Amino acid sequence: GAVVSQHPSRVICKSGTSVKIECRSLDFQATTMFWYRQFPKQSLMLMATSNEGSKATYEQGVEKDKFLINHASLTLSTLTVTSAHPEDSSFYICSGLLPGNTIYFGEGSWLTVV
Amino acid sequence: DAKTTQPPSMDCAEGRAANLPCNHSTISGNEYVYWYRQIHSQGPQYIIHGLKNNETNEMASLIITEDRKSSTLILPHATLRDTAVYYCIVRVAGGNQGGKLIFGQGTELSVKP
Repeated sequence: GAVVSQHPSRVICKSGTSVKIECRSLDFQATTMFWYRQFPKQSLMLMATSNEGSKATYEQGVEKDKFLINHASLTLSTLTVTSAHPEDSSFYICSGLLPGNTIYFGEGSWLTVV
Repeated sequence: DAKTTQPPSMDCAEGRAANLPCNHSTISGNEYVYWYRQIHSQGPQYIIHGLKNNETNEMASLIITEDRKSSTLILPHATLRDTAVYYCIVRVAGGNQGGKLIFGQGTELSVKP
């Protein structure tokens, strides 16, 4: 299947700082990418849909000023968690849409805010 | 909200077929049925998808009822590495603006020796 890569796989940051997570589609061009987060023992929750060259569409209840999404190229989307708090600690997962039908996911990024 | 219903957990003996059911009684005509699985602490892995015909690939088979209100994912010879949470999702597909994937709670499949 298609490859989606996330970096970093694990990151620890201090409260109040910002952290950026990158999502790259390695062997296809993804005009659309999706960002999810997952808390322990819970399912994935969609945060936002990212379209190349335009503003992201956020799901209800997700703060767009806190979770900044940039999709500047067909192979890269970034999620920046601003003013991080311990409750932002979670597993963040991105996915890329192949033109047509299938969505492939990255390996995920563990964020711990201390 | 997720539009599918799955049993929360299932067990399967190693080497036997694992049959995972999914109900999607409100599926629309342009929605596909997708299956993903998630092994602990990893991103979801695509398994298979279909519209109305049965589908098979190297990982699994997907059987969709004629009325499309339910489907079954079949892992023909389950191994211990198939232990994971399996998600059945309905989604509008097509073009570059295909619909998003909304995850439900999935089925936690445990394959036992």
